[in-house]
Amino acid sequence: QVQLVESGGGVVQPGRSLRLSCAASGFTFSSYAMHWVRQAPGKGLEWVAVISYDGSNKYYADSVKGRFTISRDNSKNTLYLQMNSLRAEDTAVYYCARDGFGIVVVVAATLFDYWGQGTLVTVSS
Amino acid sequence: SSELTQDPAVSVALGQTVRITCQGDSLRSYYASWYQQKPGQAPVLVIYGKNNRPSGIPDRFSGSSSGNTASLTITGAQAEDEADYYCNSRDSSGNHLGYVFGTGTKVTVL
Repeated sequence: QVQLVESGGGVVQPGRSLRLSCAASGFTFSSYAMHWVRQAPGKGLEWVAVISYDGSNKYYADSVKGRFTISRDNSKNTLYLQMNSLRAEDTAVYYCARDGFGIVVVVAATLFDYWGQGTLVTVSS
Repeated sequence: SSELTQDPAVSVALGQTVRITCQGDSLRSYYASWYQQKPGQAPVLVIYGKNNRPSGIPDRFSGSSSGNTASLTITGAQAEDEADYYCNSRDSSGNHLGYVFGTGTKVTVL
């Protein structure tokens, strides 16, 4: 069965850095694009970033562009999110999610078919 | 970035039908997917593409689209359908195709 397990969350001061990890199992990790999605306390979902199955393409939400970096290690079945210059407004539960279309780039639709349970990042002094 | 607008809250009597809408310019070009989220839990995919349900999702959930509006319909709502629902689509406003979530709708089953 597909499993996604996030880790690395915690309390961090504004301006500091944090790296999140998402360990994947139960499927061929290297055949799927992967996303990070976040949810501020009591708020809605916000898409953060996506990385292609082979790591060659990465796209970011404007709110994190230039501060966050998505990456993956297919040999370790792990997805990462390096977060730099953190701000109070980055406080959220961060979820990793699988793009269900696999290696096929589907422009006409979206599909986040499996999600992890999330890891909480709190940015506070 | 593009915006997807949803009604903040709707209510439905047990066993009745409720339609949740999602409006945005990108929906004229791209299909929406829909996610159910219960308190303290991760989102769960319920509908994607033209009207596709993942395995395990009851057939009382269906999707449709017209113009700039996508809809999720629950026919014969059950108590366990009480949750927040979010639409998602491609974000066509920038120089690449990102993704955008709707503002979310809280569904209460009476």
